[in-house]
Order: sequence, then C-alpha cells, then structure tokens
Amino acid sequence: GQNIDQPTEMTATEGAIVQINCTYQTSGFNGLFWYQQHAGEAPTFLSYNVLDGLEEKGRFSSFLSRSKGYSYLLLKELQMKDSASYLCAVRPNYGQNFVFGPGTRLSVLP
Amino acid sequence: DGGITQSPKYLFRKEGQNVTLSCEQNLNHDAMYWYRQDPGQGLRLIYYSQIVNDFQKGDIAEGYSVSREKKESFPLTVTSAQKNPTAFYLCASSIGSTGADEQYFGPGTRLTVT
Repeated sequence: GQNIDQPTEMTATEGAIVQINCTYQTSGFNGLFWYQQHAGEAPTFLSYNVLDGLEEKGRFSSFLSRSKGYSYLLLKELQMKDSASYLCAVRPNYGQNFVFGPGTRLSVLP
Repeated sequence: DGGITQSPKYLFRKEGQNVTLSCEQNLNHDAMYWYRQDPGQGLRLIYYSQIVNDFQKGDIAEGYSVSREKKESFPLTVTSAQKNPTAFYLCASSIGSTGADEQYFGPGTRLTVT
C-alpha cells in the first residue's frame, strides 16, 4: 500500500521560518512533489526532489532523504499570503499515478 | 493563454443521475488526471490517462468513468453507482515525462448531489 503522512495544521508568525514535514511509505519511489493550495483554489506546483538533498527556490526550499522516506518544505520570511495548505505527493513508479498526502494547513499570523 | 479549464465551477444534481464534468487543456500535454478532494483531505486519484485513447484506474475509480478521444479533453462521468459523489473535483495535466512532471490543475468543479 501507499501511505503519506503530514501534520494536519501548523501556525507560524509573519517573518518567521516554518518547516513542514512529510513522511512516506510507498511501493517504489520516482520523485516527490510539493504543491501549495489556497482555500477553494487549485493546487500550484512548488518543488520537486528525486535525489537526496536540498533544493532551493527563493523563499521556499525542499529537502529529501530517500533512505528515511522523509521530506520537508522550508518556508522562510513568511508572509500572510503563505497561509494555505501544502500538499506532499509521491510518484511510486515511472507511471503517471501520483499519491498525495492529506496536506498541512498553514496559518500565518501577524 | 495556455491553461486548463473545467466547467462548470458549481454543479448540483439529484441522486440517481449521471453527471459529466468537463476538462480541457491547450498546453499540448500528453497526460491528464482526475482527482477528488474531500474537506480536510488530500487529493485522491480517480483516473489518469498517459495518451489519447488510453486511461488507467486510480485508487478510487469505482462509480466513475472517463474517455480520452482527443488530446485536449478528458471528461469525467460521475455515475449513479458512486456512493458519495458530493466533493470537489480537480482535473490536471502534465507533459507526461518520467522526471519532474509538474501537474497543472484546473480551477475545479464543486459537485453537490442531493
């Protein structure tokens, strides 16, 4: 079976740094994706990891450890507009089936 | 402007009726997907298609059907056999590569069945 876990909710303060964790147990691994989804809207792509290590993209970074089945999304210099759900998704094989985690709802407070 | 469209945004149906949700993309993507999202939950894959005239069941295909007669279009029919059809339905497309295959999502259709 496929299982992806994320914390349900997190709260952080504007200007701070927050780390959103994702752990996965899947039948295989061919990449991990992070998406951002504002309430009532469609998800938008944030990052992709397939090799171990950190990928940095502006205020957002994503880390992967394949041996631990673990990833995190790091958001720096938080802004109010970062209040959203963050979805972790794994592609278990070379096909096009992606498995999504439940998402983490982040609230950024002033 | 390239993108992916879904219509309608809101849809209301009576129990026992089939309903078809439309999804169109002009991104020239090979792969298309249908997901269902319930309150407080992540996305669950209903069907996906890697190429025209071919599609595969996802994790929750029961009660749903799809077709892929054209590259641009991937309509989803919610049949009366689907036990709990009320949900937010998202269509997506991607290039269909084996690498960083970013998915582009449509705005979604919120279906309510009473």
